[in-house]
Amino acid sequence: GQQLNQSPQSMFIQEGEDVSMNCTSSSIFNTWLWYKQDPGEGPVLLIALYKAGELTSNGRLTAQFGITRKDSFLNISASIPSDVGIYFCAGQLSGTASKLTFGTGTRLQVTL
Amino acid sequence: SQTIHQWPATLVQPVGSPLSLECTVEGTSNPNLYWYRQAAGRGLQLLFYSVGIGQISSEVPQNLSASRPQDRQFILSSKKLLLSDSGFYLCAWTAYTEAFFGQGTRLTVV
Repeated sequence: GQQLNQSPQSMFIQEGEDVSMNCTSSSIFNTWLWYKQDPGEGPVLLIALYKAGELTSNGRLTAQFGITRKDSFLNISASIPSDVGIYFCAGQLSGTASKLTFGTGTRLQVTL
Repeated sequence: SQTIHQWPATLVQPVGSPLSLECTVEGTSNPNLYWYRQAAGRGLQLLFYSVGIGQISSEVPQNLSASRPQDRQFILSSKKLLLSDSGFYLCAWTAYTEAFFGQGTRLTVV
């Protein structure tokens, strides 16, 4: 099935550093979503993007819907220990009203 | 507000035994419902989705089946579990585009 290429696969950073991750696809997406998953929990929605070029913030998180509609990035500023987890991008492909395609995830570790 | 309930939280089952995982959604009507599986440290694999009662779409051939007997109820089943069915199973719902997940069921087949 359709894959979203998410990078990096994992990141080890120090508390206070900024983080950037992205998702790319060869297909056009109508919607981009970013989720965070804590160990043993279900993913929680962080940011939703609906228009090409849209830039949206949620606290220390900022995400953008790429102008080509084939990519998106998520930035986390001034990371803290509770940012640890797996971050997933997800997108709704043009023409698929019911399904989301998920990226492979970025595992974030924050050291003190 | 909408909530999604998924149970049980953990399950250990012997190979060859049946499986039934249940998911219910409250606070919305006619949601799209989904079952995902997540292997340890991996991404989310879509197993089934449903856009209405009795309407099930399967994404991958496998040992599992799904049913939607009521508008807000989604059930994942197996007649005989395999070792490879172990994983973290997540139910999700969408109204338009944003998906909301349950807490997940950790299934270990032994």
